[in-house]
Amino acid sequence: EPEVTQTPSHQVTQMGQEVILRCVPISNHLYFYWYRQILGQKVEFLVSFYNNEISEKSEIFDDQFSVERPDGSNFTLKIRSTKLEDSAMYFCASRVWRDSPLHFGNGTRLTVT
Amino acid sequence: TQLLEQSPQFLSIQEGENLTVYCNSSSVFSSLQWYRQEPGEGPVLLVTVVTGGEVKKLKRLTFQFGDARKDSSLHITAAQPGDTGLYLCAGPNTGNQFYFGTGTSLTVIP
Repeated sequence: EPEVTQTPSHQVTQMGQEVILRCVPISNHLYFYWYRQILGQKVEFLVSFYNNEISEKSEIFDDQFSVERPDGSNFTLKIRSTKLEDSAMYFCASRVWRDSPLHFGNGTRLTVT
Repeated sequence: TQLLEQSPQFLSIQEGENLTVYCNSSSVFSSLQWYRQEPGEGPVLLVTVVTGGEVKKLKRLTFQFGDARKDSSLHITAAQPGDTGLYLCAGPNTGNQFYFGTGTSLTVIP
């Protein structure tokens, strides 16, 4: 069964550094998402992406965050200048249509020191 | 923001017991989904309920969508250690966003 893949599985970075989290959604899916989950807390929506542009974003997704789908397969989340509070699991998700279920990757654990 | 509150937040039971997890909102949802998440992994979809009053069964798991489509429940019969995990309900807004519930962490003790 096709799946969403995320790399790396674990990223450690120093505060103030830029990080890029990578995702390969399922190939025929049209809607792409980033969520994050701070340890022990709920899954929080960051951004949705459709038709090569952001369709919605949350208050968490400020100017330090950006997303890109550079080559039709990869979907990336960039954090320009990481903060300690950015430490979390970051999940990529995709779905075929607007009303179909989300399929999640296994996440990237980001640790900012 | 459409909030989804889950209860209980934590649940620890003995193998073989039954349990029910609740997902409540003051907002109407066109559908609700239930996911299970294991440590270090992403949420995995269990079921989608669409119609008010709908009941879906997945082996020992029974999912119900409230008549008014504001709430849902997950009932597990004869829980097993393999059922241990974080159970999340989620529902779409009118755009492209999914709201996730606060989660119920279930531990089934052998």
